[in-house]
Formats: sequence, C-alpha cells, structure tokens
Amino acid sequence: QKEVEQNSGPLSVPEGAIASLNCTYSDRGSQSFFWYRQYSGKSPELIMSIYSNGDKEDGRFTAQLNKASQYVSLLIRDSQPSDSATYLCAVRSGNTGKLIFGQGTTLQVKP
Amino acid sequence: EAQVTQNPRYLITVTGKKLTVTCSQNMNHEYMSWYRQDPGLGLRQIYYSMNVEVTDKGDVPEGYKVSRKEKRNFPLILESPSPNQTSLYFCASRLGNGYEQYFGPGTRLTVT
Repeated sequence: QKEVEQNSGPLSVPEGAIASLNCTYSDRGSQSFFWYRQYSGKSPELIMSIYSNGDKEDGRFTAQLNKASQYVSLLIRDSQPSDSATYLCAVRSGNTGKLIFGQGTTLQVKP
Repeated sequence: EAQVTQNPRYLITVTGKKLTVTCSQNMNHEYMSWYRQDPGLGLRQIYYSMNVEVTDKGDVPEGYKVSRKEKRNFPLILESPSPNQTSLYFCASRLGNGYEQYFGPGTRLTVT
C-alpha cells in the first residue's frame, strides 16, 4: 500500500462544475495535510493546508479532512479552464516528519 | 518578495562533467529539500537539511551531494552526472516541521 494514494485521473469536469479530488494516506499519526497545484513543467504551488478534522474553505477551494477514515479531499467550486492542472496531495508523516507526496490527480476542465 | 530561487533553470551537460545547481531562500526557513520529478514516478526526495550543517539522505540520494553552510543556501552537486539523472529538479523550503513547504521554480537538467 502506498503511503499517500491518489487517483491519477484524468478527472474531467465541465466549466462551472464542482471538481472533487481525493487522497488517502496510511500513517494514522499524520498531522499536517497539504494540497498543491502543478501546471505542466512548473513547480508545485501550495493552495491549501489543513490540520484538523472538518472543512477549510478558501475562495473556491475547500479542503476536507477525516482522520478516522484517513482521507483528505479538495473541492473546487465553479471550476475554470485555468484550474486544469495536476493536484498533489502531501501528508506529513507522524513518525518521521517527512512530507510524503501522492502521485497527483490530473484535472481537466472543459469549456 | 518571499521566494525560493534556483539556478540555472535549464541545463544541458555531458556525462561526467561536474555541476552545481544553486538554491536560495529568503524566508529564514530552517528546512530545505531537493526533489526530482520524473514522469510516472512523482516527486522523490533526494536530500534534505534541517539546519545549517545538518543534512540527511532522502529516498534517492545516490549520485548527489549537498551542503548547508548558510541557512539561506542549499546547493545540489552532481559530481559525475549520468543520463539517468536527466530530470526536473525542485528545491523547497519550510520554516519547520508541520509548516507549509514552498518550492523553487525548478531546474530542467539534461545529461547526454
């Protein structure tokens, strides 16, 4: 089992729809969770961080964390073509403190 | 502006010719890391540093060296590059454990 798992996609949604990106992790002691957006050939850009169970909203983005289910998700409301990118989930290991990345989910927003 | 910078951004070199990729951050971060990113393999950590003069191996350290003589700088050294080190390299920094990590713009390295 991979430490951080994401569906590679591509996830295709129409413009204006809600995109839902999911991530599961194996280390139950993990405390910090991050979502990065990466355009092709560019560096990962931090878009959300979440540390406690529940929802955290920032503009069109909502991160959701459920530590009991070891699950973190990212919702993008009113998706735009400019949101088309790869989204990386990153989890800080509770044991080692190391930041572990998932393989990423490619999102395509079609006009 | 708070940022992580890397140089060069693009580099084409030949097998065996030593090279250094520089990384600098202006946020007074303690932690710095180097990653490489390859298609289908995701981001893999090469080396990391928790503070000045403190470095440790990541997941794929073979063929690389690092040093941390100053807090702001964390160069990546390839003593004898080989074609399998052709990749996209990212430097990253964060204040400490649990804090958000920020990436540099990347260095695309090609070794022929």
